[in-house]
Amino acid sequence: KQEVTQIPAALSVPEGENLVLNCSFTDSAIYNLQWFRQDPGKGLTSLLLIQSSQREQTSGRLNASLDKSSGRSTLYIAASQPGDSATYLCAVKGGSYIPTFGRGTSLIVHP
Amino acid sequence: GAGVSQTPSNKVTEKGKYVELRCDPISGHTALYWYRQSLGQGPEFLIYFQGTGAADDSGLPNDRFFAVRPEGSVSTLKIQRTERGDSAVYLCASSLDAGGPGEQFFGPGTRLTVL
Repeated sequence: KQEVTQIPAALSVPEGENLVLNCSFTDSAIYNLQWFRQDPGKGLTSLLLIQSSQREQTSGRLNASLDKSSGRSTLYIAASQPGDSATYLCAVKGGSYIPTFGRGTSLIVHP
Repeated sequence: GAGVSQTPSNKVTEKGKYVELRCDPISGHTALYWYRQSLGQGPEFLIYFQGTGAADDSGLPNDRFFAVRPEGSVSTLKIQRTERGDSAVYLCASSLDAGGPGEQFFGPGTRLTVL
């Protein structure tokens, strides 16, 4: 059974810092890995999707990498802003087409 | 709108009652997923549809939970004899197809409270 772990569980940083959020998974036989953002009381917003054949994806200040062999993905946020404050979730989709989510990293960026 | 919509946004019910939660996916998306999210947790898979059929319902916690998607578009999650432990946010997501690229797009969720 796939298990997904996200570290750290919570992070509080001053504005302008570069951040790395980690996601690890136990079964490397995956189709894709997707990073989401969730604001309090809201649904999930897709940030980046990495296919199993890809190593990284970039969108604006966000960069996500994937290392299947070691079962890890990182989400890099450059020049963080208060508006980046949210919970960040990663989801790994395996051969059963069922995504498994981590518990998320709660990020606070203070001015 | 063009996104996934869910109704109602909030539902308060009494223990033992029956509830229905609705999900309207993005037009043309053949895959539809239901999840349940408790406070401080990631979404937990319940069931997914590929077209009209339930492709995998292994996440449904017991036989009080049932979901349908009769025309391959809108889906309804049905919960019978609700219990206080069913209180959670129920999320729906759709994607073009379950396999392959399969980027998921989520709705805003339905917050269910069972008193």
